[in-house]
Amino acid sequence: DAGITQSPRHKVTETGTPVTLRCHQTENHRYMYWYRQDPGHGLRLIHYSYGVKDTDKGEVSDGYSVSRSKTEDFLLTLESATSSQTSVYFCAISAKQLSVNTEAFFGQGTRLTVV
Amino acid sequence: AQSVTQPDIHITVSEGASLELRCNYSYGATPYLFWYVQSPGQGLQLLLKYFSGDTLVQGIKGFEAEFKRSQSSFNLRKPSVHWSDAAEYFCAVGARNAGNMLTFGGGTRLMVKP
Repeated sequence: DAGITQSPRHKVTETGTPVTLRCHQTENHRYMYWYRQDPGHGLRLIHYSYGVKDTDKGEVSDGYSVSRSKTEDFLLTLESATSSQTSVYFCAISAKQLSVNTEAFFGQGTRLTVV
Repeated sequence: AQSVTQPDIHITVSEGASLELRCNYSYGATPYLFWYVQSPGQGLQLLLKYFSGDTLVQGIKGFEAEFKRSQSSFNLRKPSVHWSDAAEYFCAVGARNAGNMLTFGGGTRLMVKP
């Protein structure tokens, strides 16, 4: 398995509180991604990073921010959690631009519940 | 922008029967296409991928998929399903010039009857 660790694995938080999810990799891969998984929607991209301090928005970025100060860590922050952000969050990594020799590896997921 | 549709939300097959999971994509150029499997409580595991060349792609666990450009499809098949194949399956399309991003379909949950 690729060296990807998500923390925490489970979290329950109250509406309006800030929450930070961490993705840590030991593969030295350039690209890192945050997805959320919701029934019927599959996985949707929130934000991604293509290098240290280089990030960009994905399909569902509203209400989320990210930071990448080191190659190995990619943080996802919910500034003020809402119930609509209850979801399972997946981190993924890839070494380079997609090719026949490249694939994206996924972490185990973080289940976040906002009450 | 690319998109992926998996028309079947749930599929139930008997163990030993053949399986085909449907995937249709929309993309303005030649796509990168993937199938992932997610077992309960786990992350996603890559089954197979298509980039170019032979349109019939072999993957792990006895799965294969066929890219049909004329139908914008990339259906996943397995000749004989095992109980351990029960999982959720996701088709995804990759954007060649957008930071390796993947766009996923909504998923198909496969149940296997004994």
